[in-house]
Amino acid sequence: EPEVTQTPSHQVTQMGQEVILRCVPISNHLYFYWYRQILGQKVEFLVSFYNNEISEKSEIFDDQFSVERPDGSNFTLKIRSTKLEDSAMYFCASSGLQGGETQYFGPGTRLLVL
Amino acid sequence: QKEVEQNSGPLSVPEGAIASLNCTYSDRGSQSFFWYRQYSGKSPELIMFIYSNGDKEDGRFTAQLNKASQYVSLLIRDSQPSDSATYLCAVGGNKLVFGAGTILRVKS
Repeated sequence: EPEVTQTPSHQVTQMGQEVILRCVPISNHLYFYWYRQILGQKVEFLVSFYNNEISEKSEIFDDQFSVERPDGSNFTLKIRSTKLEDSAMYFCASSGLQGGETQYFGPGTRLLVL
Repeated sequence: QKEVEQNSGPLSVPEGAIASLNCTYSDRGSQSFFWYRQYSGKSPELIMFIYSNGDKEDGRFTAQLNKASQYVSLLIRDSQPSDSATYLCAVGGNKLVFGAGTILRVKS
């Protein structure tokens, strides 16, 4: 069964460093998303991406964040200068032909900023 | 601000019982509703989606939607210890808004 994959599973970084989180969405999906979940808190929407551009972003997704689809399979989230409060689980998700369809989540990347 | 509210629980049920999980949402224009299961430290796993008023059944799971009351529920029949997890209600389309989740504990 097709699934979303994410790498790395864990990442530890120093405050102020740049990190890139990688995702391979389900192959025939067209909509891609990033969510985050701070420990003990809700899953929060960060950004959605369609047709090589951001379709919606939350107020969390400020200038420190960027997304890219560098090739036909990968979808990345970059955090330029990490802060302590960026420590969270980051989930990539993808959905099919139409926006609003079911989103399938990857296993997540646990980011720890020291 | 669109919000999704769930009772945090924990909801404890004996093995074999019916577990009933509830969710309310604030955006009356919402069209798509989802239930995800999340085990500790893992990602959300889709259980069911529902778009129309009424009931939708899939195996041991039944989702119920009442748009007039802005209410979604999930019934789990014949609950098993492996059903013990946090159940997340999510609303929306392009952007999912999640509730905080209800912790379900099924006791054998």
